[in-house]
This record gives sequence, structure tokens and C-alpha cells, in this order.
Amino acid sequence: EDQVTQSPEALRLQEGESSSLNCSYTVSGLRGLFWYRQDPGKGPEFLFTLYSAGEEKEKERLKATLTKKESFLHITAPKPEDSATYLCAVSENRDDKIIFGKGTRLHILP
Amino acid sequence: KAGVTQTPRYLIKTRGQQVTLSCSPISGHRSVSWYQQTPGQGLQFLFEYFSETQRNKGNFPGRFSGRQFSNSRSEMNVSTLELGDSALYLCASTWDSWNNSPLHFGNGTRLTVT
Repeated sequence: EDQVTQSPEALRLQEGESSSLNCSYTVSGLRGLFWYRQDPGKGPEFLFTLYSAGEEKEKERLKATLTKKESFLHITAPKPEDSATYLCAVSENRDDKIIFGKGTRLHILP
Repeated sequence: KAGVTQTPRYLIKTRGQQVTLSCSPISGHRSVSWYQQTPGQGLQFLFEYFSETQRNKGNFPGRFSGRQFSNSRSEMNVSTLELGDSALYLCASTWDSWNNSPLHFGNGTRLTVT
């Protein structure tokens, strides 16, 4: 069965301590991989779309990369306001369902 | 530009009752998807509507249903509520998910079943 797995489930970092979040996926044909950020009490907010292996996208302190079987969300010198749950999602060629992973809860300590 | 609006924000229902949730998408968006979010299972896809037609459906029982109106507004209905239906229900709209256009989410309806 198609699956999106995110790791770690939770991550606590000191302010300025860089790290990476992982999203591994198993789909028959990837149409797109998405990263979202979700703050408590709110709906997810779109960050990036990646389409093919080798692609990279950046926004402020975040950089998303994609390989054939996984994606990484790199967070450089994070600040407390980067604390949130980060969700990875994929869509595949056979239909337009977008399937989400369970997310990584990121907490940045000041 | 107004975002996705979901009403009501909170609901408390009793087992066996039914509930209807509403979603108003971003103007111009024709695709509306519904997700159930729980701490244990994360975001699970319920169904997607495009131009008033259900285009895709997740693995939920028939108690969960939805519809979309000609103005793209959507409703989802859950009948014979069970305790396990307690969750955050999120609606998302996009111009057309086939084109990988990103989903824009509302802030959800928090349903509690007692």
C-alpha cells in the first residue's frame, strides 16, 4: 500500500541548531511532493512543491530536497517562530489523491 | 483574497446523531477536498469534489458523505456518529489538484462526539 512516512515524530532543537526532517514515500509514480507547515489550532499552510529527483527549493531558513524515494526539509539556524508541525504529502500519477504523512513536531528552544 | 472558511469552528454531538460541516473555498477554486485529522492517524483523505462531482474517495465508511454546490461550496455529512469520529475536519481548496496546484486549508471544524 502507498505510504508516506515522516521521521522523527518530534524534534527539539536549540535556537540556531540546524537539522533535517525526513519524508520517505512509496508510490507507483510520483506526480508531486508537498511540504506544509501547521501551527496549533490552524490548518496546514503550503510551503513547497517538488516534482523530480534532484530538485531543491528554498524559503527563508527552509530548504526542501527530493530524491527518488525521500525528501528532506533542512532547517538552517532555526528560530522559535519556526516551531510547528511539518507535514509531507505526495500525489501520484494514477489519481489526484494527496496523501499526508503524520508529520514532525518541531520545537525550537530560545 | 479571502481564505478557505469552515463553519462551525467547534461542534459537540452525541453518539448516534448526525452532523453537517460546511466549507467555502477560495474564489475561483473548483476542487474541494476533505480530511480528517487525529493525533494517532494524522491527516486522512476523505473525498474530493470537482465541479460538483466526487472525483476521489478515501477509505471511510458510507456514514461519511459530501457534496459540492454550483458555487463550489461544499458540505460533508457524518451520520450515526461514533466516539471515534471525534477529530479535526479540514477542508482544502485548490484550482485543480491534477495540476499539482497546492491545497489551501481552512482552520477546520473540531468535532467532539460524547
